[in-house]
Amino acid sequence: AQSVTQLDSQVPVFEEAPVELRCNYSSSVSVYLFWYVQYPNQGLQLLLKYLSGSTLVESINGFEAEFNKSQTSFHLRKPSVHISDTAEYFCAVNNQAGTALIFGKGTTLSVSS
Amino acid sequence: GAGVSQTPSNKVTEKGKYVELRCDPISGHTALYWYRQSLGQGPEFLIYFQGTGAADDSGLPNDRFFAVRPEGSVSTLKIQRTERGDSAVYLCASSLEGAPANEQFFGPGTRLTVL
Repeated sequence: AQSVTQLDSQVPVFEEAPVELRCNYSSSVSVYLFWYVQYPNQGLQLLLKYLSGSTLVESINGFEAEFNKSQTSFHLRKPSVHISDTAEYFCAVNNQAGTALIFGKGTTLSVSS
Repeated sequence: GAGVSQTPSNKVTEKGKYVELRCDPISGHTALYWYRQSLGQGPEFLIYFQGTGAADDSGLPNDRFFAVRPEGSVSTLKIQRTERGDSAVYLCASSLEGAPANEQFFGPGTRLTVL
């Protein structure tokens, strides 16, 4: 069965520092991988996704994630974070039936000045 | 345009009562999903509709949970004989077509508290 493990429940960083949020998945079928973000008091929003092709995918606000099949990982990175990046980040993979998403438990990114 | 809306935003009920949670998807989206998010957890899949029919209800925890989408638009999640363990945020999402490759747009959720 598919599963997603987010290795860090909380990641505190200072503004302008680099950050990596780790995600590992387990799947017996072809994977689609996603990162969703939930800002305080807002709903889940898609940040970026990997479907096929280039293993490096980017978001419009400077985040990137790399699909690594051999390590079954899809880590999220940003070279320099802002206060406004403070949010909950969820990694997700398609379920075996291809009908829905399986989410990790989430990582809280806290950016301070 | 309008996003996914859910009503009510908060619902407090007593153990054993019946509740209905409503989801209004983005206009034109044929796929609709219900998820449940407990404290400290990621969203957990409950049910997926393609049009009016439930294409996958494997995530419903037991027969107290039921969902409908009679006209292929608005959906209602129904919970009978609520239990304290049902307390969670119930999320609805919709997408243009029913495949995970298509972006799912999430609503703000309904926070259900069972006393």
